[in-house]
Amino acid sequence: EPEVTQTPSHQVTQMGQEVILRCVPISNHLYFYWYRQILGQKVEFLVSFYNNEISEKSEIFDDQFSVERPDGSNFTLKIRSTKLEDSAMYFCASSEARGRSYGYTFGSGTRLTVV
Amino acid sequence: DAKTTQPNSMESNEEEPVHLPCNHSTISGTDYIHWYRQLPSQGPEYVIHGLTSNVNNRMASLAIAEDRKSSTLILHRATLRDAAVYYCILRSYTGTASKLTFGTGTRLQVTL
Repeated sequence: EPEVTQTPSHQVTQMGQEVILRCVPISNHLYFYWYRQILGQKVEFLVSFYNNEISEKSEIFDDQFSVERPDGSNFTLKIRSTKLEDSAMYFCASSEARGRSYGYTFGSGTRLTVV
Repeated sequence: DAKTTQPNSMESNEEEPVHLPCNHSTISGTDYIHWYRQLPSQGPEYVIHGLTSNVNNRMASLAIAEDRKSSTLILHRATLRDAAVYYCILRSYTGTASKLTFGTGTRLQVTL
């Protein structure tokens, strides 16, 4: 069964450093998403991406965050200057289409620890 | 997305059926009902979705009330691997219709 692949599985970074989280969505999917989950809390939407541009973003997704699809397969989330509160699991997801009748496929996540 | 209400937790014995309820009394006529689950230390996983009719797939069944104000996810024979948090999510029609809004879900515990 097709999978969404995320790397690395765990990243430790110092506060103020830049990090890039990487994702390979399912090949025929057109819509891409990032979510995060702080330990013990809900899964939160960050951003959706389609046709090489952001289609929607949440309040969490401020100027410190950016997304990119640098080639035909990768989808990345960059945090420019990490804060302690950015420590969380980050999940990438993709879907074939954005309509209400389509499901998402999520990756297994990257655990980001900011120290 | 419209609001859903689920019990915080449920328990089941292995190999018995499990019925996970969800109330969504403010559902609109065009909202789809989606279910996802999240196993420990994993990303959310799509389970099933429906609009009005009951739905079956290899993972589960979805029973939707006639008035659509509630639905039930049915796991026909629970296994230890089904221990997870189950999320009932309504997907509404909007200009973007692109995001899922997760609540706190139902934590299902499966015991031998």
